Amino acid sequence: QSALTQPASVSGSPGQSITISCTGVRSDVGGYNYVSWYQQHPGKAPKLIIYDVNKRPSGVSTRFSGSKSGNTASLTISGLQGEDEADYYCSSYTASRCVFGGGTKLTVL
Amino acid sequence: QVQLQESGPGLVRPSETLSLTCTVSSGSISGYFWNWIRQPPGKGLEWIGYVYSSGSINYSPSLKSRLSISVDTSKRQFSLRLSSVTAADTAVYYCARELNRGASNLGAFDFWGHGTMVTVSS
Repeated sequence: QSALTQPASVSGSPGQSITISCTGVRSDVGGYNYVSWYQQHPGKAPKLIIYDVNKRPSGVSTRFSGSKSGNTASLTISGLQGEDEADYYCSSYTASRCVFGGGTKLTVL
Repeated sequence: QVQLQESGPGLVRPSETLSLTCTVSSGSISGYFWNWIRQPPGKGLEWIGYVYSSGSINYSPSLKSRLSISVDTSKRQFSLRLSSVTAADTAVYYCARELNRGASNLGAFDFWGHGTMVTVSS
């Protein structure tokens, strides 16, 4: 069982916005502003798309945004595109280690 | 552009030791936390542990008793050894660099290897 809880799947139509939640506890998500999000296409390595809750690495589309409230972090993807169809994982810093969510499969209808 | 490449056996017998090496091409190996992360087939990501360029380490509590991670800066490599493996250790193993935030490891992995599949089977 993963330390952080994500919905197994979400879906949306091109152009729409979707949000993926990531729920932890006070000792991880709730206690630190060090939540990251990764995008993983089939057979590929994960790609960092959000770090420190809401920061985007250079080169990542502004359509990706992150936020946090209490013990739950969220990833929002606006203007959905077909290339966004992938698995998404959240992670959080906790006590000198890292914990991941179970992953969410995004389907673009 | 930093590139990471995992190498090692793709098949390991049960009860034996899994050994992998990650080679870092270009960029500095000093001043970074170097991590191992794995992904069982069809499942999610699991953080295994890290080694800092100075040699300090931190491991996942669930693997700590079987795990050893080390770094050789002269060879631009860091390595993973996981002993007494079982089928549950079958996974794609990734090496990854942690985003540089000074001497603090705060998560966020900005460069990843392609991953190497390791199967534990007799």
